[in-house]
Amino acid sequence: EVQLVESGGGLVQPGGSLRLSCAASGFAFSSYWMSWVRQAPGKGLQWVANIKQDGSDKYYVDSVKGRFTISRDNAKNSLYLQMNSLRAEDTAVYYCARRVAAATLADYWGQGTLVTVSS
Amino acid sequence: DIQMTQSPSTLSASVGDRVTITCRASQSISSWLAWYQQKPGKAPKLLIYKASSLQSGVPSRFSGSGSGTEFTLTISSLQPDDFATYYCQQYNSYSVTFGQGTKVEIK
Repeated sequence: EVQLVESGGGLVQPGGSLRLSCAASGFAFSSYWMSWVRQAPGKGLQWVANIKQDGSDKYYVDSVKGRFTISRDNAKNSLYLQMNSLRAEDTAVYYCARRVAAATLADYWGQGTLVTVSS
Repeated sequence: DIQMTQSPSTLSASVGDRVTITCRASQSISSWLAWYQQKPGKAPKLLIYKASSLQSGVPSRFSGSGSGTEFTLTISSLQPDDFATYYCQQYNSYSVTFGQGTKVEIK
C-alpha cells in the first residue's frame, strides 16, 4: 500500500524557516517524480514544487522561487521541502504527492502538514 | 499562467441526481485535464486524467469529457459518499493550475 506521511509543520514567525519531510513507503520511491502541493485555509490548491527521480531537475511555482528548496534522499525514501523567508501568504496545509509518470498530476497524496506563518 | 474557471461554485443535489460540473480553461489545453475529489480535512483524490480516463479504483458513475477549453465532470447517480469539493487541474503547461473548486452539497 502506498503511504506518504508528512511531518515538520508548525507555527513560525514571518521571515523564519521550516523544513518539511515526507516519508514514503509501499512503492519504488526512486522511480517517481515527487511533488509538494499546498492549500491555504479554506482556499484552493496550488502546485508548489516538483523533483525528478534522481534530483537533477526541479520545478518551483514563481511565488516560492529563491525561498523554497525541494530535495530528496532515495536511500531513505524521503522527500523534503526547505522553506526560508516565510511569509504570511505561505500559511497552508502542505501535501506531499507522488507525481504520475510524464505528467504533473498526483495519484497519491499524504495527509498534509499545516504550516502557519504568524507573529 | 493558464486560468481555470469552474462552475458552479456550489451545487445542491440529492442522492440519485445526475450532476455536472464545468471547467473552462483560458486557452486550449488539449485533453490535459484532471479532476480531483476532496473531502473536509482530507487530501485530494485523483478521479479522472486526460479529460476522460478513469483512475483505477474510481467508481464508473464518474465520467469526464471535453477538450480544448471546455470540460465537464459528470456523476451519473450521486451517492452519499460523493458529497465533497471537486477541483479541475490543467497540466498542459509546465506551470500547472487548478480551478477554484465546486462544492457539492446535500439538497
